[in-house]
Amino acid sequence: QKEVEQDPGPLSVPEGAIVSLNCTYSNSAFQYFMWYRQYSRKGPELLMYTYSSGNKEDGRFTAQVDKSSKYISLFIRDSQPSDSATYLCAMDGGYQKVTFGTGTKLQVIP
Amino acid sequence: EPEVTQTPSHQVTQMGQEVILRCVPISNHLYFYWYRQILGQKVEFLVSFYNNEISEKSEIFDDQFSVERPDGSNFTLKIRSTKLEDSAMYFCASRQGRGRGSPLHFGNGTRLTVT
Repeated sequence: QKEVEQDPGPLSVPEGAIVSLNCTYSNSAFQYFMWYRQYSRKGPELLMYTYSSGNKEDGRFTAQVDKSSKYISLFIRDSQPSDSATYLCAMDGGYQKVTFGTGTKLQVIP
Repeated sequence: EPEVTQTPSHQVTQMGQEVILRCVPISNHLYFYWYRQILGQKVEFLVSFYNNEISEKSEIFDDQFSVERPDGSNFTLKIRSTKLEDSAMYFCASRQGRGRGSPLHFGNGTRLTVT
């Protein structure tokens, strides 16, 4: 079983839709969770960082963590064509290595 | 906002040649990383570096790879004898500490092409 599972997509939605992106993980030592956005041939850009179960909101983005189910989500409200990118979940246990999911490719159609 | 900078943005080299990829992490960060992403694949951990030594490395990071922080600001990745399969995007990352309040920040990467 992979440490972090993420549906690679692609996910295609109309502009204005609510997008839900998800990851599951198997390592119960993971305590800190990040979501990154990556445009083609660019570095991952940090969107959200959270370390407790529950929701964290930042503008149109909401990160949700359920440690009991080992499940994290990123919601994007009022999606825009500029949101079209690959979204990566990442997590670590407070030690050195941060482990990434495979990324979900999102396309928002005008 | 402070950022991680990487040079060059693109490096083309012949198989068997040595390459050095350079990074300037965010100035008050203490933990430094190299990750690799082969085209269309996931971001893979190579190595982490703290207090002037390697703290963790992956199976990918074999004897052909080395890292150095030569002067307190730069952080380099050297590949001694490049192979075709080393062609990838190489990302440098840094974080202030570990755990709470310390996410990983990435540079824009160096695209390495080995011919």
